[in-house]
Amino acid sequence: GQQVMQIPQYQHVQEGEDFTTYCNSSTTLSNIQWYKQRPGGHPVFLIQLVKSGEVKKQKRLTFQFGEAKKNSSLHITATQTTDVGTYFCAGPEGGGTSYGKLTFGQGTILTVHP
Amino acid sequence: DTAVSQTPKYLVTQMGNDKSIKCEQNLGHDTMYWYKQDSKKFLKIMFSYNNKELIINETVPNRFSPKSPDKAHLNLHINSLELGDSAVYFCASSPYSVSYNEQFFGPGTRLTVL
Repeated sequence: GQQVMQIPQYQHVQEGEDFTTYCNSSTTLSNIQWYKQRPGGHPVFLIQLVKSGEVKKQKRLTFQFGEAKKNSSLHITATQTTDVGTYFCAGPEGGGTSYGKLTFGQGTILTVHP
Repeated sequence: DTAVSQTPKYLVTQMGNDKSIKCEQNLGHDTMYWYKQDSKKFLKIMFSYNNKELIINETVPNRFSPKSPDKAHLNLHINSLELGDSAVYFCASSPYSVSYNEQFFGPGTRLTVL
């Protein structure tokens, strides 16, 4: 079955440093989604990327979808303590089945030291 | 005005007991899901229903039985609870769409089996 690998598993940064998490799929994806889960909270949708090579920005967050649509990255510039949490990438199975089944990466747990 | 709600938030029980978790969404979505998140934060889909019909049934022990009385509700019943069932269970919903299936998660139910 489809596998979605995410690295690193943990990242500790000082406030103000940059942070990047990487996502790789074993299959070509029709789209990729990113979610953030705050400690003790639930996953919250951040963004969906669809096009090959797509880059989207949300304030200090930059999301990229690879040319081959098998990898993606999330980069945070100048981290803040509010960025703490687990970041997940997720890709639909079956090349975009309408059933919406997502395979999640293992997540990257980000801690930010003030 | 909670979009996806779950009850209870915490559930502590003894091995061998039977318990249920309830989920409701007021977003008008057609598709609902159950996920299990283990202690390492890994999110794994268990079941999905589309308009009361079971469409995703992952390799889950048959002690777990989902039920969807209508498209706004999806419940999870667990028989003969085991220690390994301890986890956070998330309900989620999404619109029924081929190209866009952002998932909205409930607050989660933390199940502890003693």
